[in-house]
Amino acid sequence: DGGITQSPKYLFRKEGQNVTLSCEQNLNHDAMYWYRQDPGQGLRLIYYSQIVNDFQKGDIAEGYSVSREKKESFPLTVTSAQKNPTAFYLCASSKQTTGGRTGELFFGEGSRLTVL
Amino acid sequence: AQKITQTQPGMFVQEKEAVTLDCTYDTSDQSYGLFWYKQPSSGEMIFLIYQGSYDEQNATEGRYSLNFQKARKSANLVISASQLGDSAMYFCAMRDRVGGFKTIFGAGTRLFVKA
Repeated sequence: DGGITQSPKYLFRKEGQNVTLSCEQNLNHDAMYWYRQDPGQGLRLIYYSQIVNDFQKGDIAEGYSVSREKKESFPLTVTSAQKNPTAFYLCASSKQTTGGRTGELFFGEGSRLTVL
Repeated sequence: AQKITQTQPGMFVQEKEAVTLDCTYDTSDQSYGLFWYKQPSSGEMIFLIYQGSYDEQNATEGRYSLNFQKARKSANLVISASQLGDSAMYFCAMRDRVGGFKTIFGAGTRLFVKA
């Protein structure tokens, strides 16, 4: 079955540590995205990539980094510079980088990061 | 600037009744797409319905319909014949050229369906 796989599902981090969240898709989608969700709130865009080896900052990129070396993979690193990293992180992909129904996002199951 | 506003933090509906979840949006673009997603307590996001800015008819997908009023910049979701399994968070989202075709989300509405 095609889809998006995020790992790990739960992650605990000590202050000062970098952690990397994995996101892999086998949908052959061009665009991939990382969102952050805080309790009771909507999704905020961290980074997005519309093509391999290229990515753009979203609204809350500070303290995060990404790479897009392969079409299928878009890992997110939460660095020690992120002051409040405890949140639910969602990875998504879309078929097209332009408009229309093909802009529908397909999501992974999410990764819940807790800083101890 | 792009913006999505959902003014109802929480809504209650009786099972088998219809409910409307409000969404207003702001964009300077003439070409844009509006989406609704459902997020159950398990956390995954499920696509429900799509409306293009040039679509003349309101979108429908099973029990979901979108009440699209372009002049008022509103895109309300209507769920008919509510079921207990409809209890979830619902997010309105928008994607346009001005925003580089990235999708932005509203704050969401939590729907509670009562038996």
